[in-house]
Amino acid sequence: KNEVEQSPQNLTAQEGEFITINCSYSVGISALHWLQQHPGGGIVSLFMLSSGKKKHGRLIATINIQEKHSSLHITASHPRDSAVYICAVRSQETSGSRLTFGEGTQLTVNP
Amino acid sequence: DTGVSQNPRHKITKRGQNVTFRCDPISEHNRLYWYRQTLGQGPEFLTYFQNEAQLEKSRLLSDRFSAERPKGSFSTLEIQRTEQGDSAMYLCASSLADRGNQPQHFGDGTRLSIL
Repeated sequence: KNEVEQSPQNLTAQEGEFITINCSYSVGISALHWLQQHPGGGIVSLFMLSSGKKKHGRLIATINIQEKHSSLHITASHPRDSAVYICAVRSQETSGSRLTFGEGTQLTVNP
Repeated sequence: DTGVSQNPRHKITKRGQNVTFRCDPISEHNRLYWYRQTLGQGPEFLTYFQNEAQLEKSRLLSDRFSAERPKGSFSTLEIQRTEQGDSAMYLCASSLADRGNQPQHFGDGTRLSIL
């Protein structure tokens, strides 16, 4: 079992829909990251969370430390949101702040 | 804004050849990370440096792989005697050393294809 699991693996939505991507992890963490990766490969950091909720534009990220679960929400989705969304955690048990990643969720938003 | 820069963006080589990738981190960042990502998977940790010291290496980093950061600025990742299984995206990230959690900033990656 991976330390970080995401669902769904693939998600197709119509423009304007509300989208939720889930991330569950099995280790104690000091931080959780949500990342966006476009087809060219570059990764952009969207959020870093250690508790509660963060919002940036149409993106909202929440985390429940007790349940070891985080969600990424996209409101009013748009085709330009199409990308791979990756959840990554910094484990309390590893040194050096290296990240452990989920396998990613491929989001496609159709016009 | 000079983010993390990786070169080359793409590398195609024959099996058995040696390849070297370069990563230039954000200038004030003292931590530098290398990750590998195969198709359809999330990235996996390879190694990281704090300044010029290589502080951790994954068991994924076989003896054909070597990474350096000689002056605590740019880093190189070399793969000797490449194999088909080395085909992947190699990602570099940098961050400040921790005071609390610091975000990692990623480069665009080097995509390696082994023929």
